[in-house]
Amino acid sequence: GNSVTQMEGPVTLSEEAFLTINCTYTATGYPSLFWYVQYPGEGLQLLLKATKADDKGSNKGFEATYRKETTSFHLEKGSVQVSDSAVYFCALGWTNFGNEKLTFGTGTRLTIIP
Amino acid sequence: ETGVTQSPTHLIKTRGQQVTLRCSSQSGHNTVSWYQQALGQGPQFIFQYYREEENGRGNFPPRFSGLQFPNYSSELNVNALELDDSALYLCASSNRVASGRISEQFFGPGTRLTVL
Repeated sequence: GNSVTQMEGPVTLSEEAFLTINCTYTATGYPSLFWYVQYPGEGLQLLLKATKADDKGSNKGFEATYRKETTSFHLEKGSVQVSDSAVYFCALGWTNFGNEKLTFGTGTRLTIIP
Repeated sequence: ETGVTQSPTHLIKTRGQQVTLRCSSQSGHNTVSWYQQALGQGPQFIFQYYREEENGRGNFPPRFSGLQFPNYSSELNVNALELDDSALYLCASSNRVASGRISEQFFGPGTRLTVL
C-alpha cells in the first residue's frame, strides 16, 4: 500500500539557517505529493504541492521537488525564521475510481531559535 | 469566502458513550474527508463523502460512521467510545473534478475529543 516516511524530529535550528526535512514515499501509480504545516492549536494548511515527476512546488520560500527516481519529496528553505516554527507533514495524495485519499507521514516538529 | 468550520472545538466524553462531530464545507466544495490525528502522529484517513455517499474508507471499524447533507456539510459519528479514540478529528473539504488527480483538500481547525 501507499506510505510516507518522514524525517524524525524534533528539529531545532537557529534563525537564518538552512532547512531540509526529508520525505520518501512508497506508492503504486503516480500520486501527487504535498507538504502541510500545522501551527499550535490549528488545523493543517497546505504549504506546497507537486503533481508529477520533476515538478517543483514552492511557497513562502519553501521548495520541494518530486523525484520519482528516488521516491522523495524533501522540503527545503534557505533561511528560516522564528515564524516557521511548526509541525510539518509530508503527504501523498492518490485517487482511485473517485476515492481521493491523503496518506500522511508522522510529522516533523521544527523549532527556530532567535 | 468562508473556510471549513468544525464544531465543537473541544469535547469530553466517557468510555462507551457516543459522539457526533460536525463540519461545514468551504463554499463550492462537494467532497468531505475525515481524518483522525492522535497526539504526536500524522492524520489518518477515516472516510470520505461525495454527493452524500461514503466513497472510500480507511482502516477504521464500523462504529465510525458519517453523513453528508445536501448542502455538503457533514457529520462524523463514533459509537461505543474507547480511550484510544481520544484525538484531534480533522475535516477537509474539496471540489472533486474529473482531472485524474486528487483535488486540493482544505482543512478545518479540528475537534479535540477526549475520552475518559
